[in-house]
Amino acid sequence: GENVEQHPSTLSVQEGDSAVIKCTYSDSASNYFPWYKQELGKRPQLIIDIRSNVGEKKDQRIAVTLNKTAKHFSLHITETQPEDSAVYFCAASNTGNQFYFGTGTSLTVIP
Amino acid sequence: GAVVSQHPSRVICKSGTSVKIECRSLDFQATTMFWYRQFPKKSLMLMATSNEGSKATYEQGVEKDKFLINHASLTLSTLTVTSAHPEDSSFYICSAWPGQGWETQYFGPGTRLLVL
Repeated sequence: GENVEQHPSTLSVQEGDSAVIKCTYSDSASNYFPWYKQELGKRPQLIIDIRSNVGEKKDQRIAVTLNKTAKHFSLHITETQPEDSAVYFCAASNTGNQFYFGTGTSLTVIP
Repeated sequence: GAVVSQHPSRVICKSGTSVKIECRSLDFQATTMFWYRQFPKKSLMLMATSNEGSKATYEQGVEKDKFLINHASLTLSTLTVTSAHPEDSSFYICSAWPGQGWETQYFGPGTRLLVL
């Protein structure tokens, strides 16, 4: 089955700096890669996703890159703000109704 | 966007009782619903996958007689924690997947279960 690894587990950055979270996956059949943000006690919310036919996607301060050959994808947050502080999860799916989650990254943005 | 509700949001029960948690997709039909358990500061642990009208598929280590899942319709799935014990205390989150190609699953708000 699929195995998704996520690094780092914790990340602290100064407000205004960039944050990068990386994930690797093992199953080359995976073709959809969503990223979720979860605030304490709340539900995970989709913040960005990327499909396997695309190498990069950007939405304002958030971007995701995908390297299919190396089987890794990354989340990039620029100009971080305190409200970006949360736990971020990556996931991989083969669109066959199975989603595999990374272990999460706790991001703290220091004002 | 797609909305998933979960009820109750918080429940406290005595040890030995059963608790039912409902998960509803409010504005779409969910081919598949997932049930997760989440410990503090930990990732989502998939418990089971349920497809409407068929038996749920449980992950290894999850007792199907302990965690009963029913997916009665395309908009409703229920998780019943039977004979709950303090170690079952956790945050339970459901999600619903429309089942169409490249699309994310949509999460419910979660249920905080405390077993005394």
